[in-house]
Amino acid sequence: GQQLNQSPQSMFIQEGEDVSMNCTSSSIFNTWLWYKQEPGEGPVLLIALYKAGELTSNGRLTAQFGITRKDSFLNISASIPSDVGIYFCASMDSNYQLIWGAGTKLIIKP
Amino acid sequence: KAGVTQTPRYLIKTRGQQVTLSCSPISGHRSVSWYQQTPGQGLQFLFEYFSETQRNKGNFPGRFSGRQFSNSRSEMNVSTLELGDSALYLCASSVGTGETQYFGPGTRLLVL
Repeated sequence: GQQLNQSPQSMFIQEGEDVSMNCTSSSIFNTWLWYKQEPGEGPVLLIALYKAGELTSNGRLTAQFGITRKDSFLNISASIPSDVGIYFCASMDSNYQLIWGAGTKLIIKP
Repeated sequence: KAGVTQTPRYLIKTRGQQVTLSCSPISGHRSVSWYQQTPGQGLQFLFEYFSETQRNKGNFPGRFSGRQFSNSRSEMNVSTLELGDSALYLCASSVGTGETQYFGPGTRLLVL
């Protein structure tokens, strides 16, 4: 079936560093979504992308919809402790069903 | 507006038992989707209901079933529980199929 390959699996970063993660697929998608999940909670939508090449920001977060429609990246600038969590990419297939990456776990080094 | 609520938040069952989980969507949302999340895994789609009808179904055995009521509240049921069913079960609501999904906090199920 369709799969999203998300990398890296985890990241250990210092507070203040910039973070970059990405998601790729062998299939073309018309929507890319980025969610964040904190412990004990459900995922929360951060950014939604609907057009190839689209670059969208939400505060310190920036995401882009790849021009080939097979990839997307999420950048976080100047990370802070509350950025810790698991970031998921997701896309919508032709049945309007969400397909998910396995997540990138962000850990801030003390 | 109140968010998506799920009950119970935590549940412990033993193998062979059955369980029913409940989800109340955001007011005005008519679509409810259910997902299973296991440690280190992304979310695995179970099914979606819209206006009391199952619209989509994932690749899960028939032990997993669901339904939606006229007020859009949804329940999912797992019969003959197995150890591998231990997971976080997430419910998401949206205005309609294909619209932005908003998640509840999940029900954490432990099967012993």
